[in-house]
Amino acid sequence: GQNIDQPTEMTATEGAIVQINCTYQTSGFNGLFWYQQHAGEAPTFLSYNVLDGLEEKGRFSSFLSRSKGYSYLLLKELQMKDSASYLCAVRLNAGKSTFGDGTTLTVKP
Amino acid sequence: DTGVSQDPRHKITKRGQNVTFRCDPISEHNRLYWYRQTLGQGPEFLTYFQNEAQLEKSRLLSDRFSAERPKGSFSTLEIQRTEQGDSAMYLCASSHFPRQGAGETQYFGPGTRLLVL
Repeated sequence: GQNIDQPTEMTATEGAIVQINCTYQTSGFNGLFWYQQHAGEAPTFLSYNVLDGLEEKGRFSSFLSRSKGYSYLLLKELQMKDSASYLCAVRLNAGKSTFGDGTTLTVKP
Repeated sequence: DTGVSQDPRHKITKRGQNVTFRCDPISEHNRLYWYRQTLGQGPEFLTYFQNEAQLEKSRLLSDRFSAERPKGSFSTLEIQRTEQGDSAMYLCASSHFPRQGAGETQYFGPGTRLLVL
């Protein structure tokens, strides 16, 4: 089966930096996605990594190590609106993706 | 680009009834995906289409579930003889494949929340 592990919950302070880790063991790998999902809403795309290394996009960065089956999402200068669930998803083949259960991030003043 | 839309947004039904959901993807997107999500879990893949062809179905998709995309545009997901365990958020996503560099980003609709009593 496919296995994606993320911490269930994290808490951080407004203005701080937080790193959300994701480890995966999957039968295939065609890239790793991070999505943000606010309560009751649909997931929205944050980042995509297919090669090892760091991808930076504004306050958000994502890192991938394929040999270690590991990724992280780095959020800088946290804002209250960043309180949400963050989903790690591995694209298994040309179509299907499998998602982790998400990390609920709470940003406190 | 009006985004992915889904209808209805909420559906309450009694066990044993049939329900049908509709998804309208972003107009130039050739791929359409269906997922199911329950509270505290990530989305679970159900099936996907490229144009009108259904390319893959999850084993989660029992014979009570059927999906169509007859003209390669909108799609419907039907659940027959609903069970309480079918209660979930049903998400639709669309993408353009192939697309260089961006890894075929999926754009999600707002979802249809189903409650089976």
